[in-house]
Amino acid sequence: DAGVTQSPTHLIKTRGQQVTLRCSPKSGHDTVSWYQQALGQGPQFIFQYYEEEERQRGNFPDRFSGHQFPNYSSELNVNALLLGDSALYLCASRSGGMLWYEQYFGPGTRLTVT
Amino acid sequence: AQKITQTQPGMFVQEKEAVTLDCTYDTSDQSYGLFWYKQPSSGEMIFLIYQGSYDEQNATEGRYSLNFQKARKSANLVISASQLGDSAMYFCAMRLPYSGGGADGLTFGKGTHLIIQP
Repeated sequence: DAGVTQSPTHLIKTRGQQVTLRCSPKSGHDTVSWYQQALGQGPQFIFQYYEEEERQRGNFPDRFSGHQFPNYSSELNVNALLLGDSALYLCASRSGGMLWYEQYFGPGTRLTVT
Repeated sequence: AQKITQTQPGMFVQEKEAVTLDCTYDTSDQSYGLFWYKQPSSGEMIFLIYQGSYDEQNATEGRYSLNFQKARKSANLVISASQLGDSAMYFCAMRLPYSGGGADGLTFGKGTHLIIQP
């Protein structure tokens, strides 16, 4: 049973460009969350998707947008990249059952903006 | 606003000793949940333990236990009989203010870097 998978593993972009990161949740999971983790910091919540709708959003600008597909996979899009967007982007998924609190994280996508 | 504070940037512990990682939190909510995650150098966050604010007993999961002191707003992680493989970053987290519909984004502390020495 594959866990949460993310692609790509690493990415280098230039300021002003746009980027799309992808996430496939663990089998049986229907809720996907995205986090940004700057070097030496804890993860910061970007948003959460459920039933193809953004259910909750953290304190991130509109440059950060997302999508969830019918198969529960998800994309994170970042427009007009800034140097400060360089970070590890983590995707997490969970089910809605008894163990709802147990979120499974993917290995992350390391984004470098130059 | 909610806040998680982890005051130990780094800790060195001898193998087989017990470890306590500190976490204090601030929230005005009556109902909340507290989490601990482990992040090895590979980067993947691993769920360790969860404590609900209304749970009467401290949560335990194998060698991990959560020392929950509600009045002091602390939720310390205790690792018994530490192993070399426990070396990693450890993050305390809390569910963001509930906005309905089952939403459960988390706010994390800055983490503690735990190093287990042989």
